[in-house]
Amino acid sequence: DVKVTQSSRYLVKRTGEKVFLECVQDMDHENMFWYRQDPGLGLRLIYFSYDVKMKEKGDIPEGYSVSREKKERFSLILESASTNQTSMYLCATGWAGGFGTEAFFGQGTRLTVV
Amino acid sequence: ELKVEQNPLFLSMQEGKNYTIYCNYSTTSDRLYWYRQDPGKSLESLFVLLSNGAVKQEGRLMASLDTKARLSTLHITAAVHDLSATYFCAVEETSGSRLTFGEGTQLTVNP
Repeated sequence: DVKVTQSSRYLVKRTGEKVFLECVQDMDHENMFWYRQDPGLGLRLIYFSYDVKMKEKGDIPEGYSVSREKKERFSLILESASTNQTSMYLCATGWAGGFGTEAFFGQGTRLTVV
Repeated sequence: ELKVEQNPLFLSMQEGKNYTIYCNYSTTSDRLYWYRQDPGKSLESLFVLLSNGAVKQEGRLMASLDTKARLSTLHITAAVHDLSATYFCAVEETSGSRLTFGEGTQLTVNP
């Protein structure tokens, strides 16, 4: 079984704090993704990575950055948390190209910024 | 920019009935995925559709893909309460491996 593990299920942070969300996978997948999920908006892509040290912006990268120093780990960083970043964050991983990418999801991190 | 639209967004149905959820998308792609999400949980992969005319079935759910119409359907046959969940479709852009998701369809099956 693919295991995609996010470091926290629930987080409460204060406005202005620097926040790190960690995602670790054990399947040697090339691709890793960070999405946020909000009611009525579905899942929106923040950043994704095809390989170590490679990253590409998704649809809503503002206020976020990412780091991928090792293949199995993809971190999402909120440089200065704001209340509008309160959301559910989902990490996903998948194989590269070929016959399609089936994404496997972590359990999610519900972040509240107060 | 790829857009993915699902309808309906909310669906309340009785046990034993049939219904279809629709997923339309705006640009060329032949790779579409369906996911299920239970409240408070993450996403679970249901179907992977990788070509025009692809049809996959699992239990009471059947998914199909028409790439010419840019349409996928998720058909529910003889619904049961256990199918209550939110269902998402996601489309893979041909230019890369990123997935763009629809808004989700919240399905409630009533006894």
